[in-house]
Amino acid sequence: EPEVTQTPSHQVTQMGQEVILRCVPISNHLYFYWYRQILGQKVEFLVSFYNNEISEKSEIFDDQFSVERPDGSNFTLKIRSTKLEDSAMYFCASSEAPGAIDEQFFGPGTRLTVL
Amino acid sequence: GDSVTQMEGPVTLSEEAFLTINCTYTATGYPSLFWYVQYPGEGLQLLLKATKADDKGSNKGFEATYRKETTSFHLEKGSVQVSDSAVYFCALYMNTGFQKLVFGTGTRLLVSP
Repeated sequence: EPEVTQTPSHQVTQMGQEVILRCVPISNHLYFYWYRQILGQKVEFLVSFYNNEISEKSEIFDDQFSVERPDGSNFTLKIRSTKLEDSAMYFCASSEAPGAIDEQFFGPGTRLTVL
Repeated sequence: GDSVTQMEGPVTLSEEAFLTINCTYTATGYPSLFWYVQYPGEGLQLLLKATKADDKGSNKGFEATYRKETTSFHLEKGSVQVSDSAVYFCALYMNTGFQKLVFGTGTRLLVSP
């Protein structure tokens, strides 16, 4: 069964460093998403991406964040200069069609720890 | 804005006990409602959904009914198994073209033999 994969499973970084979180969506999916969950808090939407551009982003997704689909398979989330409060579990998701029309399939997450 | 509130966990049950995990929502329109489950080391998986009032979603023995009058979507299972131990997330999706799911905090369920 096709699945969304994410690497690494756990990333530890120093404050101020750049990190890139990687995701491989399901191959025939066209819509891609990042969510995050700070420990003990809600899963929060960050950004959605379609046709090589951002289609929606939340207030959290400021200039420190960027997304890219550098090739036909990967979908990345970059944080330019990490802050302590960026420590969270980051989930990638993909869907064949937008939103509730079709199910969003989630990866297992990358736990980011900023020291 | 739109939001989802779930009961805090962990919920600890013995095998074959009855499960209820409460979920209520706040939304300006008529959202679709979902329950996702996350087993250890895995991603969030769609468990069930309901797209309009009075719909009942069901899967793997779990059920939830979309109650517009109480803005609720409580998850129930008549007899839990150890393998049901996981984190359960309630979520909504506004059917207005926006592409984001709005989640609750998740409720951890621990089932002991």
